[in-house]
Amino acid sequence: DVKVTQSSRYLVKRTGEKVFLECVQDMDHENMFWYRQDPGLGLRLIYFSYDVKMKEKGDIPEGYSVSREKKERFSLILESASTNQTSMYLCASSSGTLPYEQYFGPGTRLTVT
Amino acid sequence: DAKTTQPPSMDCAEGRAANLPCNHSTISGNEYVYWYRQIHSQGPQYIIHGLKNNETNEMASLIITEDRKSSTLILPHATLRDTAVYYCIVRGHSGGSNYKLTFGKGTLLTVNP
Repeated sequence: DVKVTQSSRYLVKRTGEKVFLECVQDMDHENMFWYRQDPGLGLRLIYFSYDVKMKEKGDIPEGYSVSREKKERFSLILESASTNQTSMYLCASSSGTLPYEQYFGPGTRLTVT
Repeated sequence: DAKTTQPPSMDCAEGRAANLPCNHSTISGNEYVYWYRQIHSQGPQYIIHGLKNNETNEMASLIITEDRKSSTLILPHATLRDTAVYYCIVRGHSGGSNYKLTFGKGTLLTVNP
């Protein structure tokens, strides 16, 4: 059974803090993604990675960075958290072969105060 | 990616089949049809995908019309836990596997006891 896990379901941080969100997949997938989901704005891609140590910016990378040191793990880093980064963060993974369906983790609801 | 049109909401009685339609009249030959769902406050869940033929897995069946301009997701015996927003997505892969998912508004399926 496919599984994507995220380090926390709920997280509360203060403005200016450095925040780490971790994602682990057990499907040996090449591709991993970080999205955020906000009411009325839908799903927006922050970063994705197609291989270890490889990453590419998505649509809204500002204020975020990522790290992929091992194939199964993809971390999202908020360098200095701000209130406008309060959101639901979703990690996903997909294989490197068609049809590239994406499997999501449960999500982390981050609140920055 | 082709645009999709789904009804905003549907109701279904528990134990009955839920048939969720999706119109994708501008679909092109190499585009797949994917279905995902999202239960409130959880991460999206991949359900099924298809290209030309009808498909069935342990969760659902996907019926694609011969001209591929529309499809129907069938949950054969809906339960209360199937209450969720269902998203129909049509995607090509000219960009390769590193392709973001974009959800439209989807269909809110409410399964009633």
